[in-house]
Amino acid sequence: QLQLQESGPGLVKPSETLSLICTVSGGSISSGSYHWGWIRQPPGKGLEWIGNIYYSGSTYYSPSLKSRVTMSVDTSTNQFSLKLSSVTAADTAVYYCARSIRAVTMIAVVLVDWGQGLLVTVSS
Amino acid sequence: DIQMTQSPSSLSASVGDRVTITCQASQDIRDYLNWYQQKPGKAPNLLIYDASHLATGVPSRFSGSGSGTDFTFTISSLQPEDIATYYCQQYDTLPATFGPGTKVDIK
Repeated sequence: QLQLQESGPGLVKPSETLSLICTVSGGSISSGSYHWGWIRQPPGKGLEWIGNIYYSGSTYYSPSLKSRVTMSVDTSTNQFSLKLSSVTAADTAVYYCARSIRAVTMIAVVLVDWGQGLLVTVSS
Repeated sequence: DIQMTQSPSSLSASVGDRVTITCQASQDIRDYLNWYQQKPGKAPNLLIYDASHLATGVPSRFSGSGSGTDFTFTISSLQPEDIATYYCQQYDTLPATFGPGTKVDIK
């Protein structure tokens, strides 16, 4: 049974960089059949896709966040990470990591497995 | 970005009722449409992918249909454990975008 677990600070100061790690267990992040993604949900609001990363390091970011987002993958530790720079209060959200089905002919975002989520608050 | 709309935004139904939610895309997304269930305080859970395919382990009372811009999600017989918010999501064109959600509760 694949499991994903987000970790990182729950409080980040404005203008600083939010850094989260997703640890994958019960399966290999190097599986060529999947992408790995980040999604966020501000309190009481809807879901926003942040981006996907493949184990090779190929990334696909939402244009609205692209200038501030960096994703990376570490196959030796079976983890992938999210960095979001220059955060403001608008970045306060529950951040989820997830596993997405990979398609051959397109970048699929079909989020089959999710972490439990981590609330990150941006405040001084 | 492709805009997704859902209706209704909330509904209240009795146990055993048939429940239908609609999702509309701002442009043709073929059948690249997923449905998720999110219970309070929990992560979303994939129910339907590619408009009509039931995800692994999902009860058969859940179903989806549609293509192009108009999609429907149905619970054939509402159960107490189906209390949740339901989201549609497209991935025909990145960025993937979600609908605003439909909150379902028991009357």
